[in-house]
Amino acid sequence: NAGVMQNPRHLVRRRGQEARLRCSPMKGHSHVYWYRQLPEEGLKFMVYLQKENIIDESGMPKERFSAEFPKEGPSILRIQQVVRGDSAAYFCASSPGRAPDTQYFGPGTRLTVL
Amino acid sequence: DAKTTQPPSMDCAEGRAANLPCNHSTISGNEYVYWYRQIHSQGPQYIIHGLKNNETNEMASLIITEDRKSSTLILPHATLRDTAVYYCIVRVFNNAGNMLTFGGGTRLMVKP
Repeated sequence: NAGVMQNPRHLVRRRGQEARLRCSPMKGHSHVYWYRQLPEEGLKFMVYLQKENIIDESGMPKERFSAEFPKEGPSILRIQQVVRGDSAAYFCASSPGRAPDTQYFGPGTRLTVL
Repeated sequence: DAKTTQPPSMDCAEGRAANLPCNHSTISGNEYVYWYRQIHSQGPQYIIHGLKNNETNEMASLIITEDRKSSTLILPHATLRDTAVYYCIVRVFNNAGNMLTFGGGTRLMVKP
């Protein structure tokens, strides 16, 4: 029973490039959450998606960041025109969407912006 | 969601029980108590959760006081691999989203 999968595990980008982070939820899970952990800081919620819908994006920066969870395929977190401050670990979690809705996390993608 | 208070750090001898406390004095009746841990910089790992009753699984036990204002996570025989930051999180199940709010957690150091 595969857990939450994220790829790539490590991503290096130069300033101004685009970063695409992918998350495949656990089998049977239709809800995806993205969190960001800046160096030496705690995890912060970014966005919550269900299939083809963004439910809550209150934690996501208004500019340059977007997320999607298409009907088929993984959820994608996209960061356009990356800056050094985007360097962080990005974690995806999935849940079944029914009480108590326990979230299970993936291994994360570590983004480094040069 | 209710706020939680945890000690910033704790030590435990290898092989002994690790008892990690959490205060959540403003918890409401429909809020769950969740425990996660993060080993080094890995993804957070779900440990256990409870609503009112004490719970036990293969990883740990969760003891919730009768008034639900505090709880204790017990790792019965701590090993070096249990060294991690442990997060106590309280939240209600909500159809509009169940994002987790991570506080500072407790940094548990298991020593030989």
